[in-house]
Amino acid sequence: GESVGLHLPTLSVQEGDNSIINCAYSNSASDYFIWYKQESGKGPQFIIDIRSNMDKRQGQRVTVLLNKTVKHLSLQIAATQPGDSAVYFCAENMDSSYKLIFGSGTRLLVRP
Amino acid sequence: ETGVTQSPTHLIKTRGQQVTLRCSSQSGHNTVSWYQQALGQGPQFIFQYYREEENGRGNFPPRFSGLQFPNYSSELNVNALELDDSALYLCASSSPGQGIRETQYFGPGTRLLVL
Repeated sequence: GESVGLHLPTLSVQEGDNSIINCAYSNSASDYFIWYKQESGKGPQFIIDIRSNMDKRQGQRVTVLLNKTVKHLSLQIAATQPGDSAVYFCAENMDSSYKLIFGSGTRLLVRP
Repeated sequence: ETGVTQSPTHLIKTRGQQVTLRCSSQSGHNTVSWYQQALGQGPQFIFQYYREEENGRGNFPPRFSGLQFPNYSSELNVNALELDDSALYLCASSSPGQGIRETQYFGPGTRLLVL
């Protein structure tokens, strides 16, 4: 399949370990944040979202942490699996706009 | 699978030509957004259509235009193609107004190559 990104920051983890992917967002007025997973040759797939009135939200094997003071978002993946290998993007949104602003992405490689 | 479909999957054009890309939104979704994703970068917002009208536009020139039809499907048209228009074009559908922030669900994209 085609490569989503050739020169992205890469995080390499051992299968079964936990992964932490970080994102710095740009706009202090943003109040809604989303993590997407993009596999090679596919469109971004919604993983989890969080609103600015929260600092933590958990899903199935994933947790998103939001630190508004330093405009930082992180995605934690528990017990990382080979199927988690992909490029991960954070996206931000303001209440006054339907536009999503995407970060530059991080490639996650899971070693067997 | 999100239920958002796009056609064609791949397309090759030459500089100066025009192209039309198509998107069918997820059932029940009345809003379609288009994004351009250059290789190695995150998607960039082109514009959004809600109930057949443009509802917001990113930093793209007027040669990027669109349409939304009564069944909420959408087209992206690009005139006078340039080499830098080579990218993956993504369509995302959402359904605002239901009391939730507008989670956007993406289709698989159309890969456009301009020679």
